[in-house]
Amino acid sequence: GENVEQHPSTLSVQEGDSAVIKCTYSDSASNYFPWYKQELGKRPQLIIDIRSNVGEKKDQRIAVTLNKTAKHFSLHITETQPEDSAVYFCAAKNSGGSNYKLTFGKGTLLTVNP
Amino acid sequence: SAVISQKPSRDICQRGTSLTIQCQVDSQVTMMFWYRQQPGQSLTLIATANQGSEATYESGFVIDKFPISRPNLTFSTLTVSNMSPEDSSIYLCSVWGQVSGYDFGPGTRLTVT
Repeated sequence: GENVEQHPSTLSVQEGDSAVIKCTYSDSASNYFPWYKQELGKRPQLIIDIRSNVGEKKDQRIAVTLNKTAKHFSLHITETQPEDSAVYFCAAKNSGGSNYKLTFGKGTLLTVNP
Repeated sequence: SAVISQKPSRDICQRGTSLTIQCQVDSQVTMMFWYRQQPGQSLTLIATANQGSEATYESGFVIDKFPISRPNLTFSTLTVSNMSPEDSSIYLCSVWGQVSGYDFGPGTRLTVT
């Protein structure tokens, strides 16, 4: 099955700096890669996603890049703000057959210091 | 995105008892899933809830311990049976939609004493 590795497990940045979180996946058939933000005590919220036919996607201060050859994808947050502090999870989905399940990375605790 | 509600939001249960968690979606969805998230951990898929048929369980999870129902396209239940303290966790319902992608319910925080 799919295996998703996520790094780093913790990341501390100063407000205004950029933050980058990286994930690798094992199954070359995976074709959908979402990123979730989870604040303490709350549900995971989808912040951005990318499909395998696209190399990069941007939404304001957030961007995701995908390298299918190397089987890795990254989340980039620019101009970080204290409200960006949360746990971020990457995930991968294999579209084979009727398989719609997501496999998650272990998460990255991002702390943005004012 | 879909609006997902779960009941109960939290519960404290005694060892050996069972708890049924309900998940209600405001629109018909193709896929519904149940996840477990232990404190400080990632999300682990328990099973895919299939409408009108038996759920598809992931490795390490069995129907006798986590029976699941999905009578229609907007509702599912997860039962945690014969609970032990190791079952203390947050249980999350998730749905997949063609346009909205994957959404999560607010979760049910279960404590087993």
